[in-house]
Amino acid sequence: DIQMTQSPSSLSASVGDRVTITCRASQSISTYLNWYQQKAGKAPKLLMYTSSSLQSGVPSRFSGSGSGAEFTLTITSLQPEDFATYYCQQSYSTPWTFGQGTKVEIK
Amino acid sequence: EVQLVESGGGLVQPGGSLRLSCAASGFTLNSYWMHWVRQGPGKGLVWVSHINSEETFTTYADSVKDRFTISRDNAKNTLYLQMNSLRVEDTAVYYCAREVRGRAIDYWGQGTLVTVSS
Repeated sequence: DIQMTQSPSSLSASVGDRVTITCRASQSISTYLNWYQQKAGKAPKLLMYTSSSLQSGVPSRFSGSGSGAEFTLTITSLQPEDFATYYCQQSYSTPWTFGQGTKVEIK
Repeated sequence: EVQLVESGGGLVQPGGSLRLSCAASGFTLNSYWMHWVRQGPGKGLVWVSHINSEETFTTYADSVKDRFTISRDNAKNTLYLQMNSLRVEDTAVYYCAREVRGRAIDYWGQGTLVTVSS
């Protein structure tokens, strides 16, 4: 199985900050990397697919990059509604696997 | 509006069985691959199973293989997960999810809680 490792596991940031979350795969997954946002008690929401494609309706302050085994999710100018947990997920091969999550908290 | 509504969760003893259902609306189920993903209490997301649009191909996580069965009734626009020989570690919120573009999940249900406990 492909292991997905996110860093950091949590971070504290202020409104307006630039935030970067890294996701590393245990092998190359091309660009089959997706990012999800999950708020407490809610289902996940798709933010980015195939590494750098922005899902319809997602604000442009979210961006993704990377290929192979290293990927990043960047939030420019963090907004109050962005405080949540973020997961990366590979769909290169089954079983699909998720990172352990990065919790973005208010500083 | 696309909606996925799970049902069938509840409390079951170890070794017991449950069948989860996921009613789809706002789109034609038979055009999409579908997945089940679970999340244990306070834990991360774990992929469980998927099924292709024609119900000719299914895959399972090793942890549920030979115990869980995914199926679909395209005529009823409903996805199922039959869960047998349940274990305490199967306790989780189970999400039904739709796969689209780039092999990502673009719609999730609200989740149904399965608790395995004696």
